[in-house]
Amino acid sequence: NAGVMQNPRHLVRRRGQEARLRCSPMKGHSHVYWYRQLPEEGLKFMVYLQKENIIDESGMPKERFSAEFPKEGPSILRIQQVVRGDSAAYFCASSPLEGGYTFGSGTRLTVV
Amino acid sequence: EDQVTQSPEALRLQEGESSSLNCSYTVSGLRGLFWYRQDPGKGPEFLFTLYSAGEEKEKERLKATLTKKESFLHITAPKPEDSATYLCAVRGSQGNLIFGKGTKLSVKP
Repeated sequence: NAGVMQNPRHLVRRRGQEARLRCSPMKGHSHVYWYRQLPEEGLKFMVYLQKENIIDESGMPKERFSAEFPKEGPSILRIQQVVRGDSAAYFCASSPLEGGYTFGSGTRLTVV
Repeated sequence: EDQVTQSPEALRLQEGESSSLNCSYTVSGLRGLFWYRQDPGKGPEFLFTLYSAGEEKEKERLKATLTKKESFLHITAPKPEDSATYLCAVRGSQGNLIFGKGTKLSVKP
């Protein structure tokens, strides 16, 4: 079991470009969660998805950010027209219906 | 509103010096309290889940305990390799985890 796979590990984007972050959950896990972590800060919840459904997006900024978890393939967190303030580590976690949450190694986004 | 507060923000110990980390929480109906360890540049690594007051779990030098308002992570005779940030979280009503800001632990040889 390869665990939760996130790619890329590091992503550099210029201001105004789009960033696409990918997350493949653990085998058998149907729930995916995205978190953002700023330096010296805790993990901030962004969005919770099940296959083809957004369950809770209360932590997602209203503009420029979107997430999906299609029937086939990884979950995608998309950030359009990135700004310097979007620079952070983005973590994905997955879980079964009831049980623990396993985190990936994260994607570190740098906006220059 | 569900909330998690961890203290202290940072803790420096000498090797072998036991101590405890605190996690205070407010949640409408506890559905699990989680402890994770995070090393620099890595994702959180699961340590424990606690569900009810009085519950305790142990793993090597770590022991987690739970009351109705807080949880403690006790570290007995720590080693330098225990240095990391320890994160506490509760499961929110929608199923997501709500994290505290963490305690950064440094253990000096």
